[in-house]
Amino acid sequence: DAKTTQPPSMDCAEGRAANLPCNHSTISGNEYVYWYRQIHSQGPQYIIHGLKNNETNEMASLIITEDRKSSTLILPHATLRDTAVYYCIVRDGNQGGKLIFGQGTELSVKP
Amino acid sequence: GAVVSQHPSRVICKSGTSVKIECRSLDFQATTMFWYRQFPKQSLMLMATSNEGSKATYEQGVEKDKFLINHASLTLSTLTVTSAHPEDSSFYICSAPGTSGNYEQYFGPGTRLTVT
Repeated sequence: DAKTTQPPSMDCAEGRAANLPCNHSTISGNEYVYWYRQIHSQGPQYIIHGLKNNETNEMASLIITEDRKSSTLILPHATLRDTAVYYCIVRDGNQGGKLIFGQGTELSVKP
Repeated sequence: GAVVSQHPSRVICKSGTSVKIECRSLDFQATTMFWYRQFPKQSLMLMATSNEGSKATYEQGVEKDKFLINHASLTLSTLTVTSAHPEDSSFYICSAPGTSGNYEQYFGPGTRLTVT
């Protein structure tokens, strides 16, 4: 699996957009970009995933660069409940669900 | 969405004893489940893949005789930590792939194991 690089921590003001970057310069053509988050002492939660097109759902938007070497997760209006560790994971869609977690970004949303 | 439960949510045991952790998919069937371990301030580490009706597949460096995995049915996988020691104290999390497109992974709430 391609490795990902994320900043260890970020702050965001409540109500503002949180933009979380992820570098995955060695991503291969059949690998998807997945985002999960883990609120303290809970199991991770799926947020969004994409291959090459930008994606949006009720939780977030995923912007993938044209060369697919990096992506940004956008939480459009961060709330205090969005404080969590966010993991960007690159995985082959045929790997049967196995996820390898990196260090993630600890996002702190502040009032 | 689909729900994965774990039992117990926390357990304290004495060194040398064994502890069993259950992982259940509540409203869907899971032929595959995954077990992770997480130490404080660290990321999740994949321990093994649990396969219904066959042997588990362990990640490199994980002792299969210490962490026994049994996937007895399409909704239940168990992880038994045998002869637990204080260094096995950790947060154990299981997950199962969703059934629609296999892109989403559903995680249990985790089990906090403390070995004294």
